[in-house]
Amino acid sequence: SYELTQPPSVSVSPGQTARITCSGDALPKKYAYWYQQKSGQAPVLVIYEDSKRPSGIPERFSGSSSGTMATLTISGAQVEDEADYYCYSRDSSGNQGVFGGGTKLTVL
Amino acid sequence: EVQLVESGGGLVQPGGSLRLSCTASGFTFSSYWMSWVRQAPGKGLEWVANIKQDGSEKYYVDSVKGRFTISRDNAKNSLYLQMNSLRAEDTAVYYCARDGQQWLVPTYFQHWGQGTLITVSS
Repeated sequence: SYELTQPPSVSVSPGQTARITCSGDALPKKYAYWYQQKSGQAPVLVIYEDSKRPSGIPERFSGSSSGTMATLTISGAQVEDEADYYCYSRDSSGNQGVFGGGTKLTVL
Repeated sequence: EVQLVESGGGLVQPGGSLRLSCTASGFTFSSYWMSWVRQAPGKGLEWVANIKQDGSEKYYVDSVKGRFTISRDNAKNSLYLQMNSLRAEDTAVYYCARDGQQWLVPTYFQHWGQGTLITVSS
């Protein structure tokens, strides 16, 4: 079955840039989406279609995709950005959805 | 305001059955693909199943095929997940999610419910 691979954890100091990667064989042809999930809460969409930012999401969140890797970048990470981040995409058929394993972002 | 409210969670024995419901409001329910996503305790998110606007297409993650059935009632603005032959590994919070676009293919999850916990244990 199709898999998306993320690093388990990323740690930065406040104000630094955090980059979270997501690799998958179908990413050259399928969009990547990014979700933020804080403890005990439902996930929130922070990036869609590789690089688009939903309304209400701070400008410090950006996304990019090249080849088999998508990247979520948080420029000037803040303490409130501490959360689990998941990439999401679909397999080559488009019928199966798949999440990456998640990355715990620590900002301290 | 888009609202998705799940119900039907609880404790069930291995091999048992449960039916989850999701009641939607604040948007035209029949215009969107709908999905179920789950999260086992302390684990990551897992897409479970989705269903097309008119119910004509349904897709499932391999681990639930043949055991779970997704359905919808557009007249009642409701999404369902019938879960049979439940296993301990099905223990999770189950989220109802609405697609981000009114397209004829599934895209992404723009809106989520708060989830309902299913515990499979004897």
